[in-house]
Amino acid sequence: DTGVSQNPRHKITKRGQNVTFRCDPISEHNRLYWYRQTLGQGPEFLTYFQNEAQLEKSRLLSDRFSAERPKGSFSTLEIQRTEQGDSAMYLCASSLALGQESYEQYFGPGTRLTVT
Amino acid sequence: GNSVTQMEGPVTLSEEAFLTINCTYTATGYPSLFWYVQYPGEGLQLLLKATKADDKGSNKGFEATYRKETTSFHLEKGSVQVSDSAVYFCALLAGANSKLTFGKGITLSVRP
Repeated sequence: DTGVSQNPRHKITKRGQNVTFRCDPISEHNRLYWYRQTLGQGPEFLTYFQNEAQLEKSRLLSDRFSAERPKGSFSTLEIQRTEQGDSAMYLCASSLALGQESYEQYFGPGTRLTVT
Repeated sequence: GNSVTQMEGPVTLSEEAFLTINCTYTATGYPSLFWYVQYPGEGLQLLLKATKADDKGSNKGFEATYRKETTSFHLEKGSVQVSDSAVYFCALLAGANSKLTFGKGITLSVRP
């Protein structure tokens, strides 16, 4: 399967703990995105990378959140000092961008985070 | 800013009924428009797209036409099946901004 993969699929943690999620994009895709989806809502943009450069961050991404894509391949999203409001599905997507043209985004299955 | 508004749900239909799910948008410039579907227990999948005014996207019997004059991208299917039961999201991608803006989604349940 050469789609977008995310690990873990589920994470339960206690308030105040740190968590890290991983996303492996489709191999030839140079763009990688993180979104957050809460119950009954559509996904909301958090941040995106082109290769290893983080090009945009949403205001939703507080300073407790950090994302990296060190070699322009997989990415990690870390949440420090988790809060109950961080409980959500975290989605990763990837796409191919050539010049100004950006093609459709393909989504992974998501990591469901529950903070107790 | 950019936004997408979807009709309120959920929607319950009988098999072979006609489906319309409304979607309107607000965006700067000329966005590309998408419908994504999320089947139970699965990730988001691209259903169809349209990149300019009057384009019609189609896939698996679903269709949507990009209407610039009414800023709409309504999803239609002539005869739904039980297997179409899922959550449907309308989304847009505007200009050089690479992020998708999604509507809230609508749950469709099709009964036999």
